Amino acid sequence: EDQVTQSPEALRLQEGESSSLNCSYTVSGLRGLFWYRQDPGKGPEFLFTLYSAGEEKEKERLKATLTKKESFLHITAPKPEDSATYLCAVQAYTGANSKLTFGKGITLSVRP
Amino acid sequence: GAVVSQHPSRVICKSGTSVKIECRSLDFQATTMFWYRQFPKQSLMLMATSNEGSKATYEQGVEKDKFLINHASLTLSTLTVTSAHPEDSSFYICSASDDSYEQYFGPGTRLTVT
Repeated sequence: EDQVTQSPEALRLQEGESSSLNCSYTVSGLRGLFWYRQDPGKGPEFLFTLYSAGEEKEKERLKATLTKKESFLHITAPKPEDSATYLCAVQAYTGANSKLTFGKGITLSVRP
Repeated sequence: GAVVSQHPSRVICKSGTSVKIECRSLDFQATTMFWYRQFPKQSLMLMATSNEGSKATYEQGVEKDKFLINHASLTLSTLTVTSAHPEDSSFYICSASDDSYEQYFGPGTRLTVT
């Protein structure tokens, strides 16, 4: 069974204080690892898809990296508007449907 | 592009009644749609997967007679919560996928059963 574990559960940062969010996974044949941002009361907003170990993607203050066992979401010089819950999900090469298995998420709070 | 809408965004219903939630892909054809539920401070739990014109595939522990899913067209799927009870109160989120394996999420529907 595919599993995704995210840590820490919650993270409080001062504005400008860089940090990393961790996503550990086990999956029977990884097709892709996804990062989403979710604001309270909203649906997930797509951030990145990573497909193979060693791959990196960047978007503004966010950078996602992938190894064979885990992924990191690095946040550089965060701002209060980066406060949200960050979800990690994996997709396996099983069948025709693109089922995602999600972690519990990491709630990030950035203080001004 | 790749916009998914849900209606309603919030609904309050009385215990024992049924409520229908719509999920639409606005600018692409969704061959597959997914329904999730999310409890406070928990992650998204997949309830079922549906392909247009076929019966939905439900995850283990999800009652198919309680959560009726219809995927009538390539742009519309509906979730009907039948005989709702307070424990069904949750945040329901749909996603839609074309042939690219990417999933595009809707904004969610907050269901409160009183």
